[in-house]
Amino acid sequence: SQKIEQNSEALNIQEGKTATLTCNYTNYSPAYLQWYRQDPGRGPVFLLLIRENEKEKRKERLKVTFDTTLKQSLFHITASQPADSATYLCALIDTGRRALTFGSGTRLQVQP
Amino acid sequence: EPEVTQTPSHQVTQMGQEVILRCVPISNHLYFYWYRQILGQKVEFLVSFYNNEISEKSEIFDDQFSVERPDGSNFTLKIRSTKLEDSAMYFCASSERTISGNTIYFGEGSWLTVV
Repeated sequence: SQKIEQNSEALNIQEGKTATLTCNYTNYSPAYLQWYRQDPGRGPVFLLLIRENEKEKRKERLKVTFDTTLKQSLFHITASQPADSATYLCALIDTGRRALTFGSGTRLQVQP
Repeated sequence: EPEVTQTPSHQVTQMGQEVILRCVPISNHLYFYWYRQILGQKVEFLVSFYNNEISEKSEIFDDQFSVERPDGSNFTLKIRSTKLEDSAMYFCASSERTISGNTIYFGEGSWLTVV
């Protein structure tokens, strides 16, 4: 069966440290993988998109890697801040489809 | 920054009643979507809409659901006869071009409670 797995346990880190979140997928052949931020009671907010032929993408303090052999994406936030505290969602678009499939998200808590 | 707007923000309805959730996508966007999120669960795809027709739908989007773009700005989701399990946050989204490789913008959601 198809699965997108993100660590369901909250990730607690100290301000200034790098947060690393993991997204693993099974039985998908995604052409694209995206990361979103979701705050409680709010809609997902797009952060980064990475294509299957890209290994790494950066945007300010954010970095995403995409390993199609391992079927894994890593999402990094460097110099983390308490304002980065939120749930981060991994989402992919399977080849030939026009819909985003989301993981269940990982809650990040950055302690001051 | 342009945004997707949704109304109502919260609606409580009796089981069996019809509900219409409304969305105004970003003005130059051509692709529209509905997603839902049951409390504590993942965001789930319902339907995508392009050129005045459904381009893809999920198993969740059964005959009780319908979508419409009644004019040039609104995009609606109708649930004909609500069930308790329809209680969820419903997100409208839009994108300028096809989803592949493009940013999707989500609204803030309409929280539907069926009692």
